[in-house]
Amino acid sequence: EAQVTQNPRYLITVTGKKLTVTCSQNMNHEYMSWYRQDPGLGLRQIYYSMNVEVTDKGDVPEGYKVSRKEKRNFPLILESPSPNQTSLYFCASSLSGSNQPQHFGDGTRLSIL
Amino acid sequence: AQKVTQAQTEISVVEKEDVTLDCVYETRDTTYYLFWYKQPPSGELVFLIRRNSFDEQNEISGRYSWNFQKSTSSFNFTITASQVVDSAVYFCALSEASGGGADGLTFGKGTHLIIQP
Repeated sequence: EAQVTQNPRYLITVTGKKLTVTCSQNMNHEYMSWYRQDPGLGLRQIYYSMNVEVTDKGDVPEGYKVSRKEKRNFPLILESPSPNQTSLYFCASSLSGSNQPQHFGDGTRLSIL
Repeated sequence: AQKVTQAQTEISVVEKEDVTLDCVYETRDTTYYLFWYKQPPSGELVFLIRRNSFDEQNEISGRYSWNFQKSTSSFNFTITASQVVDSAVYFCALSEASGGGADGLTFGKGTHLIIQP
């Protein structure tokens, strides 16, 4: 089954404790990206990647890191999480770019205390 | 910079009514792509439609239809004979082609559609 898998689905943690949200896709997609969804703000893009070793900042990259060492994986790293990063996070992938339909993961709800 | 505006934060209608969700966009590119996504209460995001800037034909898919008008920079979405299962948050999104598809995707803030039985 074609899918984008995020882990964990839920996480409650404390300020400053490094965390990683994993994202993996099995569709051989070139393009992957991360979004955060906040009430009243919709979805905002954090980072995206056109291919292995190629990443670019989206609209809200501050406080986040990503890496694309393999085509299928695109982890989101919060080196020193803060409460304003409490949000619902979505990973997505598409065949070749943002101009293609995005396949989304089920989301990760992060709470930073 | 690209921008997507969904002015309707929430719409509530009674089942079987028709409802239109508005989407207005801003872009400097002549080539761009517009999307609609649905987020039902279960939370997943589901792709509904993609339209490129050179194709202004309206599209109909069952009870769903989309009206793309470049003259008013709008890409509106109409649900005919709404059903309770249509209740969801709907997002409009824009991708500019200046980066060859290598750019980001900008979403509107979403419209929460409530269909009352």
